[in-house]
Amino acid sequence: EVQLVQSGAEVKKPGESLKISCKGSGYSFTNYWIAWVRQMPGKGLEWMGIIYPGDSETRYNPSFQGQVTISVDKSIRTAYLQWGSLKASDTAMYYCARQNIAARPLDYWGQGTLVTVSS
Amino acid sequence: EIVMTQSPATLSVSPGERATLSCRASQSLSSNLAWYQQKPGQAPRLLIYDVSSRATGIPDRFSGSGSGTEFTLTLSSLQSEDFAVYYCQQYNNWPPVFGQGTKVEIK
Repeated sequence: EVQLVQSGAEVKKPGESLKISCKGSGYSFTNYWIAWVRQMPGKGLEWMGIIYPGDSETRYNPSFQGQVTISVDKSIRTAYLQWGSLKASDTAMYYCARQNIAARPLDYWGQGTLVTVSS
Repeated sequence: EIVMTQSPATLSVSPGERATLSCRASQSLSSNLAWYQQKPGQAPRLLIYDVSSRATGIPDRFSGSGSGTEFTLTLSSLQSEDFAVYYCQQYNNWPPVFGQGTKVEIK
């Protein structure tokens, strides 16, 4: 069974750093891209970027370039999304999801990680 | 960046009735269009890809159609579990973009 299991909810202060994770199982982890998708409270879905665990190739949505870093550790089948300095506007639910080719839809999703940034 | 516009924002439908959701793209997408369903407190789920192909396990009451810039998701006979928010998404151009969503609610 394909599963993407994300790390738990986080509460952080503005200016703090954060790294959330997404662990894949039940499929060949290095042969599928992992995407990160943001959903701000009460809003729609925004595609942030993708990474290919096989060679760590990464592509960012220009709207998120420089704001976050996507990385992967294929030895433990885990992708990451990180911030160097959080802002209140980073408060959102973050989903990871799988796709078999870079320009294809997302067929399996993680359960989401809620990030709350508040002073 | 391609702009995806969904209509209506909210659709009120009675169980058993048919629902038709629209999605318009600012540029031609060829066949690179997907639909997702999201229920409250859950992650989105892929319903339709390549305009009209159902994802694994999706019942045939869900169907997609369209071409170019105009696309439709049809729910032929709404069941209680179908009341949710539906998003279209283009993957023809980078970055992939979602529509703003259509909420299907019980009438």
